[in-house]
Amino acid sequence: SYELTQPLSVSVALGQTAKITCKGNNIGSRNVHWYQQKPGQAPVLVIYRDANRPSEVPERFSGSNSGNTATLTISRAQAGDEAAYYCQVWDSSSAFGGGTKLTVL
Amino acid sequence: MQLQESGPGLVKPSETLSLTCAVSGGSISSKNSYWAWVRQAPEKGLEWIATMYYTGSTYYNPSLKSRVSISVDTSREQFSLRLRSVTAADTAIYYCARMVSVFFWFDSWGQGTLVSVSA
Repeated sequence: SYELTQPLSVSVALGQTAKITCKGNNIGSRNVHWYQQKPGQAPVLVIYRDANRPSEVPERFSGSNSGNTATLTISRAQAGDEAAYYCQVWDSSSAFGGGTKLTVL
Repeated sequence: MQLQESGPGLVKPSETLSLTCAVSGGSISSKNSYWAWVRQAPEKGLEWIATMYYTGSTYYNPSLKSRVSISVDTSREQFSLRLRSVTAADTAIYYCARMVSVFFWFDSWGQGTLVSVSA
């Protein structure tokens, strides 16, 4: 099955930009989706198909995907962005990355 | 769209875990919808279990395939998960979710239900 690798944790200062990576073999040829999960809650979709935002997600969230790395970028980070973030792909089966805990300092 | 899981919160080792997800606010027979189960062990990440289409097409996580089955009941607007021969390692929060075709992202999730495996 396809493997996705994420850093365990990322820290960002309040108001700065956070980048969370998701690495996989030639991931740029796949569609990558991103989810935010806060403690005690179900995941929420924040980016689909590499760079598309659901209407309810702030514009501060953006995504890119090229080569072996997909990236979720959170601009002007806020305290409310503290959460775990997961990448996900589909290729006749689904796979999640291991998740990244974002801390806003 | 709303999804709601239901089922026992405690299952004995070696027995079968059975969960149901009720779908409302949309049709389980929607052409662009696939239906899935995802779980999350305590303090761990998300693990995809299975996905199916209302016509019966199924997709399983290879690591669980020998123990898992997913089914749909269109008349009741619900779908179900069965996981056989459970062990403590199957203790997790189980989520049902909708996947959007063609690119298969999860856009709606249930609140999740904790299933513990213990004697």
